[in-house]
Amino acid sequence: ETGVTQTPRHLVMGMTNKKSLKCEQHLGHNAMYWYKQSAKKPLELMFVYNFKEQTENNSVPSRFSPECPNSSHLFLHLHTLQPEDSALYLCASSQEGTSLLEETQYFGPGTRLLVL
Amino acid sequence: AQTVTQSQPEMSVQEAETVTLSCTYDTSESDYYLFWYKQPPSRQMILVIRQEAYKQQNATENRFSVNFQKAAKSFSLKISDSQLGDAAMYFCACQETSGSRLTFGEGTQLTVNP
Repeated sequence: ETGVTQTPRHLVMGMTNKKSLKCEQHLGHNAMYWYKQSAKKPLELMFVYNFKEQTENNSVPSRFSPECPNSSHLFLHLHTLQPEDSALYLCASSQEGTSLLEETQYFGPGTRLLVL
Repeated sequence: AQTVTQSQPEMSVQEAETVTLSCTYDTSESDYYLFWYKQPPSRQMILVIRQEAYKQQNATENRFSVNFQKAAKSFSLKISDSQLGDAAMYFCACQETSGSRLTFGEGTQLTVNP
């Protein structure tokens, strides 16, 4: 059982749909992350939130819109996606600090997204 | 910018034997963290082992240990007494202590043969 949960686990959507991915962490962390994992490619960092403030946007297209209402919850709002956006989307959390123990990122199980 | 390279797309090992997965990295920072994660078929990314760059002693976690060669920027993972449950994709990752960016390698798919 992980301290980071993600819903839904699987999602199929059309290019004109709007959907949202949800991530919740139960570890008391204050930093949360979205990653994209495509086939045959390394994990790509998309967004970073520290204390609910976005600190990094890794040149992600505007059809992906993150939201972090509090330190425990992170959303990824999706609209007008393309088939090439089909991937596994992973959420992670960590505690901002100065030690390896604190800064280790823990991952959720991911949402497998298919865009038709 | 950091880069992480895993030169072995696939590896296999017999159950109960030992296997070593290779990883090299590049960073301009003097202090950073290194990680190995495993991703089984469930796709859950699980932390295996971690190391702080300024520590000379190699990290160990039960059957998992690392060979950290800072000068060579090498961080290999050794799995002893391999078990069927060790079969997974293994990712090496590097994180500079000055930021949150975790850079992953492309992964090594490990097969454990009974």
